Amino acid sequence: DIVMTQSPDSLGVSLGERATINCKSSQSVLYSSNNKNYLAWYQQKPGQPPKLLIYWASTRESGVPDRFSGSGSETDFTLTISSLQAEDVAVYYCQQYDSTPFTFGPGTKVDIK
Amino acid sequence: QVQLQESGPGLVKPSETLPLTCTVSGGSIISYYWSWIRQPPGKGLEWIGYIYYTGRTTYNPSLESRVTILVDTSKNQFSLKLTSVTAADTAVYYCARVRPDSGLGAFDIWGQGTMVTVSS
Repeated sequence: DIVMTQSPDSLGVSLGERATINCKSSQSVLYSSNNKNYLAWYQQKPGQPPKLLIYWASTRESGVPDRFSGSGSETDFTLTISSLQAEDVAVYYCQQYDSTPFTFGPGTKVDIK
Repeated sequence: QVQLQESGPGLVKPSETLPLTCTVSGGSIISYYWSWIRQPPGKGLEWIGYIYYTGRTTYNPSLESRVTILVDTSKNQFSLKLTSVTAADTAVYYCARVRPDSGLGAFDIWGQGTMVTVSS
């Protein structure tokens, strides 16, 4: 299984400031034949299901604000919230879908400092 | 727009079978992949398996011996059966759609989730 790790475990950021979450996979999730990274990011608020933010490591899902961006390749990835808003308080998960079983990171909790 | 709704018992006894159904509304189940994912209280997410509308399945090896996912296109539903449950199977169970053109594993539409407790 591909093991996903995230850092930090939690993050306090002032409103309007940048939040950066890191995700690392135990093996590359880059598929060489199409040069795509099989990596997604989700946001989960209390009592709600996860919401897809980013897929292919950097493609924003429709309707997701452009302050959310994803970057990285192979084994190292980053989710950046460029200007934190109050509604962004949530737990964020990365997930690899390069190979089954699909696996998620343990989550990073983002709140307001 | 497409919506998913899980249904099933909230309480299951140890060693029994957990049955859940996901009803797809606002769109067809045909031509998509569908998944079950669970989340124990206060913990992270675990992928259980997925099914194509044709009935083709792939399961998480950690659960494969106990899991069956089926699809009923006439009812626009798919289902999960998990046998021989223990307290470790207590979780919120989500059904989700695999985003088309995402490579079979990014989940773009989720149900609200249903809490299942395993207890006698």
